[in-house]
Amino acid sequence: GENVEQHPSTLSVQEGDSAVIKCTYSDSASNYFPWYKQELGKGPQLIIDIRSNVGEKKDQRIAVTLNKTAKHFSLHITETQPEDSAVYFCAAVDSSYKLIFGSGTRLLVRP
Amino acid sequence: DGGITQSPKYLFRKEGQNVTLSCEQNLNHDAMYWYRQDPGQGLRLIYYSQIVNDFQKGDIAEGYSVSREKKESFPLTVTSAQKNPTAFYLCASSNQGLTGHTIYFGEGSWLTVV
Repeated sequence: GENVEQHPSTLSVQEGDSAVIKCTYSDSASNYFPWYKQELGKGPQLIIDIRSNVGEKKDQRIAVTLNKTAKHFSLHITETQPEDSAVYFCAAVDSSYKLIFGSGTRLLVRP
Repeated sequence: DGGITQSPKYLFRKEGQNVTLSCEQNLNHDAMYWYRQDPGQGLRLIYYSQIVNDFQKGDIAEGYSVSREKKESFPLTVTSAQKNPTAFYLCASSNQGLTGHTIYFGEGSWLTVV
C-alpha cells in the first residue's frame, strides 16, 4: 500500500524567511496530494492541494510542487509570519482510494 | 454555517465502558471518515463510509464500530475492546468519496480514559 514520508519533523525559521517541507510517496498510481495545517487542539485545515496532471500550484504565499517521476512533492511557504506556526501534514491517495498522511512537520516561525 | 460538527469536544471514559462520538455534516457530502491522532503523531484511518448504509474498515478498526444510517451522520463507538483509546479523534467528509476529492475535517474530540 501507499507509504508517505515527510521531512523534516520540525522546522524553525525566522519571520520573513521561506519554509520548505518535503514528502515522498510510494504508490505511482497516486494522483491527488493535499496539504493540511493543524493548529493545537484543532482539526486539520486544507491549505492547498495538487493533482497529478500539474507540476506546480500557487496560492498567495503558499505553493506546492509535484515531481511524479521521483514521487515527491513539496510545500513552499514564502515570507513566513508567526501565524504560520503550526503542524503541517502532507497526504496522498493510495490505490484503494484512501488518504494516507505523512507524520507531520512542526513549523515554528520566530518573530 | 456549513461544516462538520463533532461532539463532545472532551470526553472521559472509565475503563470497560463504551463511548460514542458524534459527527454531523451539513455539506451534503457522500463520504465520511474517522481518524485517530495520538500526541505528536500523524492521522490514522479507523473507518470510512462512501455511501449511506455502507462502511469499510481502515487501518486501525479493531475496538471501534460505526454506523451510517443517515447521510449527514457517522457516529463512532469506542468499545471496551479498544485497549488504548486515549487520543484525539477526527471526523472528516468529502463530496465524492476517496478518489482524490477534497476531505474536510471537524474540530476533533478528545477522549481520555480515567
